[in-house]
Amino acid sequence: SQTIHQWPATLVQPVGSPLSLECTVEGTSNPNLYWYRQAAGRGLQLLFYSVGIGQISSEVPQNLSASRPQDRQFILSSKKLLLSDSGFYLCASQGIYNEQFFGPGTRLTVL
Amino acid sequence: KNEVEQSPQNLTAQEGEFITINCSYSVGISALHWLQQHPGGGIVSLFMLSSGKKKHGRLIATINIQEKHSSLHITASHPRDSAVYICAVKAGSNQFYFGTGTSLTVIP
Repeated sequence: SQTIHQWPATLVQPVGSPLSLECTVEGTSNPNLYWYRQAAGRGLQLLFYSVGIGQISSEVPQNLSASRPQDRQFILSSKKLLLSDSGFYLCASQGIYNEQFFGPGTRLTVL
Repeated sequence: KNEVEQSPQNLTAQEGEFITINCSYSVGISALHWLQQHPGGGIVSLFMLSSGKKKHGRLIATINIQEKHSSLHITASHPRDSAVYICAVKAGSNQFYFGTGTSLTVIP
């Protein structure tokens, strides 16, 4: 099965600062990759997905961007964080049976 | 209105009890997932199903496509089952909708 690595595990950033969260995948090649956000008391929200290197689709308009520079690397970024960007960010990879494998997540607090 | 609704939102059970968590959805789907999220935040996929019933240990998941409804059952519940259980549906090639989760606490 796949293993999803995410870092950092927790992050506290001031409003207006930049953001870079990294996700790497082991155990598969050319996976579909996803970035989700889980806000407090709310369900997971799909932010971005990627079907290949350099291919990014966005589900919701937002302050964030994503990039996929390598097959098994997915990066979530922001130039200037907002308070509303606080949340729990999860990277996921799709398996061969369409199941989802999730990373351990990054808890972001914007102050 | 959310595409995926779960009930109950919170559930407390005594160890050994039979537990049922329900999920209803309003969109056409190709598959439904049951996920388990532990207090640290990590998410594990429990089941993926598109019809019928699946069983893994003490966990059973069923789905009724016509009624757009799925249930997750836990038999002989144990404190280590305490977690948030999330229902998610795959509606398109890359379109997933998630419920807000059911927080389960099993008391020894």
